[in-house]
Amino acid sequence: KAGVTQTPRYLIKTRGQQVTLSCSPISGHRSVSWYQQTPGQGLQFLFEYFSETQRNKGNFPGRFSGRQFSNSRSEMNVSTLELGDSALYLCASSIGTGHTGELFFGEGSRLTVL
Amino acid sequence: SQKIEQNSEALNIQEGKTATLTCNYTNYSPAYLQWYRQDPGRGPVFLLLIRENEKEKRKERLKVTFDTTLKQSLFHITASQPADSATYLCALPHLYGNNRLAFGKGNQVVVIP
Repeated sequence: KAGVTQTPRYLIKTRGQQVTLSCSPISGHRSVSWYQQTPGQGLQFLFEYFSETQRNKGNFPGRFSGRQFSNSRSEMNVSTLELGDSALYLCASSIGTGHTGELFFGEGSRLTVL
Repeated sequence: SQKIEQNSEALNIQEGKTATLTCNYTNYSPAYLQWYRQDPGRGPVFLLLIRENEKEKRKERLKVTFDTTLKQSLFHITASQPADSATYLCALPHLYGNNRLAFGKGNQVVVIP
């Protein structure tokens, strides 16, 4: 079956702009998580959605937001971009029930802020 | 707060040898631990999960141990191959929420032919 699809794969923005990233989970997966990956901090949890509800939120400013649609597809938005937002943004899907589910990651969206 | 530590130095190893990576954690007693592989520019790929009541788990040439007393997991790649070259990440359930994982920063493995 098809894996997790993220779009766009690469994008360049300037400070102050906003960006929207999209994620299509594996069919049947109801949980979508977002992570930010940078060389210095590694993988940092942003938020997790399950059945259109935000179930968990990481320690990021309010400029980072997300949502999930009824078909489980998810988007995340970053407003007022800062240079430090340059990172690989990874989306991961899972079945969503139980506490030990493996995460299936997409290839990521590489954001560069100039 | 929760801390997950992996060696930041790359592990260079000769093909055919066993690569051993360490994941140490503090201030926490996780019910399970996961290992992922990440290739450059790609998303992590799940490899293995080991529960707190399991001492060892194997999958093909991979072996994971979990010592809850030492708060440590060891990840072994036996008979390593150049194709095993990648960064390996350990992950634990986050201290403050189910359905979210906290990741170590990863340990790079380079298998030399």
